[in-house]
Amino acid sequence: KQEVTQIPAALSVPEGENLVLNCSFTDSAIYNLQWFRQDPGKGLTSLLLIQSSQREQTSGRLNASLDKSSGRSTLYIAASQPGDSATYLCAVPEGGSWGKLQFGAGTQVVVTP
Amino acid sequence: ETGVTQSPTHLIKTRGQQVTLRCSSQSGHNTVSWYQQALGQGPQFIFQYYREEENGRGNFPPRFSGLQFPNYSSELNVNALELDDSALYLCASSPGGSGGDEQYFGPGTRLTVT
Repeated sequence: KQEVTQIPAALSVPEGENLVLNCSFTDSAIYNLQWFRQDPGKGLTSLLLIQSSQREQTSGRLNASLDKSSGRSTLYIAASQPGDSATYLCAVPEGGSWGKLQFGAGTQVVVTP
Repeated sequence: ETGVTQSPTHLIKTRGQQVTLRCSSQSGHNTVSWYQQALGQGPQFIFQYYREEENGRGNFPPRFSGLQFPNYSSELNVNALELDDSALYLCASSPGGSGGDEQYFGPGTRLTVT
């Protein structure tokens, strides 16, 4: 059974610092890995999806890497801003590339001005 | 392009009652999944529908049931509500098949059971 872990559970950084968020998974036979952002009480916003054949994916200040063999993905957010404050979740699908998503518990990020 | 929408936004029910939550998937998406998210936790998979058929179910009791309609919108029904059913319910749609892997989430329905 796939298990997804995110460490740390919470993180506070001053504005301008780079953010590094970690995600680990127990079964390396994944189809893809998706990173989401969630604001308090809101739905999930998809940030990046990395296919199993990719090493990394970039969008603006966001860069996500994937190392299947070690069961790890890292989300980097460059030059953090107060607007980046949110909970970040990673998820991998089971039973197909668009199947049931197994989520980590998330990392709550606070960027202080 | 319209994104995933959910209704209602908030709902308060009494223990033992029944509730129906609704989801309209993104245009062109034939797959809908439902998730339950308790406070401080990641979303937990309830079930998925693909072209109106259930296509996988998580560890939830039968009082959680669903439907997908020909236009690919979906409903989540919960009978005999319990206090622990209080959570944010999220709907996600995806193109399914060869249409792509990314799943897109709606804003959620906050259910409170008293």
